[in-house]
Amino acid sequence: DAMVIQNPRYQVTQFGKPVTLSCSQTLNHNVMYWYQQKSSQAPKLLFHYYDKDFNNEADTPDNFQSRRPNTSFCFLDIRSPGLGDAAMYLCATSRVGVGETQYFGPGTRLLVL
Amino acid sequence: SQQGEEDPQALSIQEGENATMNCSYKTSINNLQWYRQNSGRGLVHLILIRSNEREKHSGRLRVTLDTSKKSSSLLITASRAADTASYFCATDEDDYKLSFGAGTTVTVRA
Repeated sequence: DAMVIQNPRYQVTQFGKPVTLSCSQTLNHNVMYWYQQKSSQAPKLLFHYYDKDFNNEADTPDNFQSRRPNTSFCFLDIRSPGLGDAAMYLCATSRVGVGETQYFGPGTRLLVL
Repeated sequence: SQQGEEDPQALSIQEGENATMNCSYKTSINNLQWYRQNSGRGLVHLILIRSNEREKHSGRLRVTLDTSKKSSSLLITASRAADTASYFCATDEDDYKLSFGAGTTVTVRA
C-alpha cells in the first residue's frame, strides 16, 4: 500500500513555464519535506512543513515555493524552471522528533526543455 | 547542508560477497540512519543507530558507529543481486531534519 504518493512520476516542462509537483501521504505525519536530487548526488532539502509552519532552507532559490493545504497534501511549485532545475524531486514525511524515520515517495523526475 | 561523506563512491562485488561502505560526518549527532535507493526510486530506511550505540544488526545488515572518529560503517553480508542500489547515510543534529551523504553505489554481479 502506497504511503507517500507523488504525481506525476515524470514531468516535462519548458524553460520558464511554471510547474507544480504534488505529494500526498496516508501516514498522517506532521512533517512533510521536499528534496531535490541531481544525478549521483545526495538529496538536498529545499524546505519542509511542520504542520502548517513552513520552513525554508537558507539556500533554496526563491524560484521554489510550496503549499500544504492540509495534512495529507503538499505541493512544490517551480515558478520559472531553468535548465539547472532538471532533477528528481523527492517528497518525504515523518513524525516530529529526533531519530524519526523519513518515508519517501517514489519521486518525480523533472525534465526542462 | 550535507554533513556526511561516504566512501567508496562506488563498489562492485560478486553475489555472495560482503559489501562494506563508510560514512564520516562533521558535527555531533543524536542518531545516524542508513537509507537505500534503487535506481530512479525514492529512499527506503534501512536502520538507525543512536549515538550511544556502537553496533546494530538487522538481518544481513550490520552498522557500526564510532562517535570519537565521527564515522559509521554499513556491512551487507552475503550480497544478492537485489542489493544493487545506492546507499546513503543520514545524520540528525538537533532536530528532525536529516543531512544526507553523497552515497555509495553498490553493484552486485550475478
